[in-house]
Amino acid sequence: AQSVTQLDSQVPVFEEAPVELRCNYSSSVSVYLFWYVQYPNQGLQLLLKYLSGSTLVESINGFEAEFNKSQTSFHLRKPSVHISDTAEYFCAVSDAGGGNKLTFGTGTQLKVEL
Amino acid sequence: NAGVTQTPKFRILKIGQSMTLQCAQDMNHNYMYWYRQDPGMGLKLIYYSVGAGITDKGEVPNGYNVSRSTTEDFPLRLELAAPSQTSVYFCASSRLSPEETQYFGPGTRLLVL
Repeated sequence: AQSVTQLDSQVPVFEEAPVELRCNYSSSVSVYLFWYVQYPNQGLQLLLKYLSGSTLVESINGFEAEFNKSQTSFHLRKPSVHISDTAEYFCAVSDAGGGNKLTFGTGTQLKVEL
Repeated sequence: NAGVTQTPKFRILKIGQSMTLQCAQDMNHNYMYWYRQDPGMGLKLIYYSVGAGITDKGEVPNGYNVSRSTTEDFPLRLELAAPSQTSVYFCASSRLSPEETQYFGPGTRLLVL
């Protein structure tokens, strides 16, 4: 079984400032790692994912996340946030060996202020 | 493509009533899922299906039932609604492999009074 910990329930940040949303996972098997974003009153949508290869993965809107196997982490970063990045961000894992079930963290609410 | 659609968007139920939450996808995905989202709790898997006629329990199945008669549809049935079932319900679908992205519907907000 896997588990995901997102320690920060809320992260306030000013526009154009950098941000890091933390994610740690626990698993006895190899995993795939995902970040999903949920804008207000919408469903979740994929932001980025790590499957294999380069440990740094990027999204089309400037977010990046780095897989760190030794620290079992997959932190999400953006060097300069915009008001439109205000949303809830969920880290999730799936068993790379099979089965499509995702285990989600409890989410981090990112609030970007002027 | 419409993607994943859910109806209704919002519903108020009285304790003990029943209802069906509808979910449909037009992407020919094998896998479909039902989650509930409660504040500060993330998403919990209720039931999932790997194809028509095949369903299995997730983490929090009690009080719910599902069926999957077609690839496209995956309704969630609530029998004898309880206040603890007040939540936002999301349906999702994906292709077969664990690295595949799950596509989510817009959600159904349910209030049980």
